[in-house]
Amino acid sequence: DGGITQSPKYLFRKEGQNVTLSCEQNLNHDAMYWYRQDPGQGLRLIYYSQIVNDFQKGDIAEGYSVSREKKESFPLTVTSAQKNPTAFYLCASSSDRLNTEAFFGQGTRLTVV
Amino acid sequence: DQQVKQNSPSLSVQEGRISILNCDYTNSMFDYFLWYKKYPAEGPTFLISISSIKDKNEDGRFTVFLNKSAKHLSLHIVPSQPGDSAVYFCAASAELAGANSKLTFGKGITLSVRP
Repeated sequence: DGGITQSPKYLFRKEGQNVTLSCEQNLNHDAMYWYRQDPGQGLRLIYYSQIVNDFQKGDIAEGYSVSREKKESFPLTVTSAQKNPTAFYLCASSSDRLNTEAFFGQGTRLTVV
Repeated sequence: DQQVKQNSPSLSVQEGRISILNCDYTNSMFDYFLWYKKYPAEGPTFLISISSIKDKNEDGRFTVFLNKSAKHLSLHIVPSQPGDSAVYFCAASAELAGANSKLTFGKGITLSVRP
């Protein structure tokens, strides 16, 4: 079945460590996105990529890094520079057609301990 | 500066009645609008969308209305069912600004449908 997969669902990290969240899609979508959800904040865009080997910062990119070496994959690294990393992280993808929705993964809950 | 605003954080309605969820936007470049439904600890799922060339789009129990002059859209759910209880996000994009245009989300509204 086509879809977008995030792993792991729950992740614990010690303060000061980098951690990478996985996002894979088999929908043949060109665009991929990373959002962060915090209580009362809605979904805020971290990074997005419209094509392989290219990506742009979103509204809250500080403390995060991404790569887009393959069309199917868009991993997000939460670095030790991110001051408040505990959050629910959502990956999404969309096609290059106009007026089409983005599809979301099930999310990764990251907790810094 | 929030470009998509959902000013009411929560809404409670009786089963069988209409739910009306409101959304306002400030960016006049937005030309495509979407509603997503989200359960706790899950990813949002697409519900319904509307292009700026229309003022209404209907899909079963869900209807979205767009008032471009007021920069306002609303989602109507009728009749409301207990399974509709979730967080609803309004989102917008400036499609004509470029393909794969990123979505800007509101903060969401928690809908509770009472049996």
